[in-house]
Amino acid sequence: EPEVTQTPSHQVTQMGQEVILRCVPISNHLYFYWYRQILGQKVEFLVSFYNNEISEKSEIFDDQFSVERPDGSNFTLKIRSTKLEDSAMYFCASGGNSGNTIYFGEGSWLTVV
Amino acid sequence: AQSVSQHNHHVILSEAASLELGCNYSYGGTVNLFWYVQYPGQHLQLLLKYFSGDPLVKGIKGFEAEFIKSKFSFNLRKPSVQWSDTAEYFCAVMNSGAGSYQLTFGKGTKLSVIP
Repeated sequence: EPEVTQTPSHQVTQMGQEVILRCVPISNHLYFYWYRQILGQKVEFLVSFYNNEISEKSEIFDDQFSVERPDGSNFTLKIRSTKLEDSAMYFCASGGNSGNTIYFGEGSWLTVV
Repeated sequence: AQSVSQHNHHVILSEAASLELGCNYSYGGTVNLFWYVQYPGQHLQLLLKYFSGDPLVKGIKGFEAEFIKSKFSFNLRKPSVQWSDTAEYFCAVMNSGAGSYQLTFGKGTKLSVIP
């Protein structure tokens, strides 16, 4: 079964550093997403991406965050200057032609110290 | 803004017991509804989904869910749980009527099945 894959599985970074989380969505999918889950809290939507541009974003997705699909296969989330409160599990997800069935990757656990 | 409520934080059952996990959502328009499961150390996996049609939907591993529009509910059921069903279960809603593909999740219900 096709999967969404994410790297790294775990990253520890110092506050203020830039972080890039990488994702390879399912190959024929057109919709791409990032969600995050702070420990003990809900899974929260960050951003969706379709046709090479952001289609929706939440209030969490401020100027510190950006997404990119640099080469047609990878989908990245960049956090420009990490804060302690950015520590969370970040899930990449992708959806097919209609976008309304979403499949998640295993997550990248980010710890900001 | 829409919200999703899962009333049970932690449910403990013995094997072979029946399961029902509650999920209510707040949005009154057209929605797509989902249940995801997260086994320990693994990613979110889609259990089942409802878009339209028969309000009783069947998913993988013997799970089913019933959409009751008048109650804004989408409860997950399984007649007989197994130890391997130990996991966290998340209800999620998509506001399809607004053309949004954003999922709003509930807080999750942790299920522990005792052998």
